[in-house]
Amino acid sequence: GAGVSQSPSNKVTEKGKDVELRCDPISGHTALYWYRQSLGQGLEFLIYFQGNSAPDKSGLPSDRFSAERTGGSVSTLTIQRTQQEDSAVYLCASSSTGLAGGPITDTQYFGPGTRLTVL
Amino acid sequence: DAKTTQPTSMDCAEGRAANLPCNHSTISGNEYVYWYRQIHSQGPQYIIHGLKNNETNEMASLIITEDRKSSTLILPHATLRDTAVYYCIVRAASGYSTLTFGKGTMLLVSP
Repeated sequence: GAGVSQSPSNKVTEKGKDVELRCDPISGHTALYWYRQSLGQGLEFLIYFQGNSAPDKSGLPSDRFSAERTGGSVSTLTIQRTQQEDSAVYLCASSSTGLAGGPITDTQYFGPGTRLTVL
Repeated sequence: DAKTTQPTSMDCAEGRAANLPCNHSTISGNEYVYWYRQIHSQGPQYIIHGLKNNETNEMASLIITEDRKSSTLILPHATLRDTAVYYCIVRAASGYSTLTFGKGTMLLVSP
């Protein structure tokens, strides 16, 4: 079946511009995660959605970052007034439950990422 | 989540088995061992996970020691496309847990 898809695959923008990154999770997956990965660095958690709600947005680095999810499916990560330090690969992952207190850790499946370059 | 230790890099000849070790000596009884890999410029790819029994799927096998303090990921017949960074992760058995990747093992498969 179809995996997680993300668009665009690459985005080059100028400092100060706003960007929107899109994630289409695996159909039926209720949990959705955004991460970012800077060059040579590990994964940095940004935000977690369960359905359309975001019970954990503790990883968003500043108020320039926001995300929403509609219809329990597609999610958009928006970065306002981009800065050069925002340059990274933004990764989206989804899993089938992610419900707190569930008996089994759910497997997260990743999309290919969006490479953001801020000039 | 418990800390893991992996070798920085490993080499493997194409067609041979690649055995990637991981130490997780502080693992708790309800923590799973997960393996992901990341091929250059791609998103992380789930490989396999297990709690205490050995597991096998179409990609790999996971061997967990009886005391659960270490595990080995086995790629039975490595191909050039298996060249990637492999991450061993220990995660709590709850429904929600974000992923934290360490430095992983860079596996280079050569002809």
